[in-house]
Amino acid sequence: GAGVSQSPSNKVTEKGKDVELRCDPISGHTALYWYRQSLGQGLEFLIYFQGNSAPDKSGLPSDRFSAERTGGSVSTLTIQRTQQEDSAVYLCASSLSTGSGETQYFGPGTRLLVL
Amino acid sequence: SQKIEQNSEALNIQEGKTATLTCNYTNYSPAYLQWYRQDPGRGPVFLLLIRENEKEKRKERLKVTFDTTLKQSLFHITASQPADSATYLCALGSGYSTLTFGKGTMLLVSP
Repeated sequence: GAGVSQSPSNKVTEKGKDVELRCDPISGHTALYWYRQSLGQGLEFLIYFQGNSAPDKSGLPSDRFSAERTGGSVSTLTIQRTQQEDSAVYLCASSLSTGSGETQYFGPGTRLLVL
Repeated sequence: SQKIEQNSEALNIQEGKTATLTCNYTNYSPAYLQWYRQDPGRGPVFLLLIRENEKEKRKERLKVTFDTTLKQSLFHITASQPADSATYLCALGSGYSTLTFGKGTMLLVSP
């Protein structure tokens, strides 16, 4: 079946511009996660959604970052007024739920470069 | 604060040998630990889950141990193959919290 998809696969933008990254989770998965991975760094948790509950935004690095999930499916991560330090790979993952030990299925990521 | 340590240096081994990767953690009492494989330009792929009440888990050529006293997990690949070359990430979780990932260790298996 179809896995997690993300678009665009690559994005180059100028400092100060806004960008939107999209994630299509696996159908039926109620939990959706966003991570950021910088060169040589581990996965940094950003935000997660579980069903209709309020999202856990505890990992968002600044108020320039926001995310929404419409209809419990597709999610969009928005970065406003991008900075060079925002350059990274943004990974989305989904899981059946947030049950203990639930496997996360990752998309291929969006490579963001801020010039 | 929680800290997860994985060898930052790449592990180079010869085909057919057993690769052993280490994941150490501090200031954390995880209920479970997962190992993921990540290939260049791709997202991580789940390999194994081990819970705090389990000492060892096996799947084909993979074996994971979990020592909550030492706060350490070991990940073994037996009869390693060049196709096993990738970065391996450990991730810790408890209850219904999100996962905390280590930075990963790159494994290079030479023919």
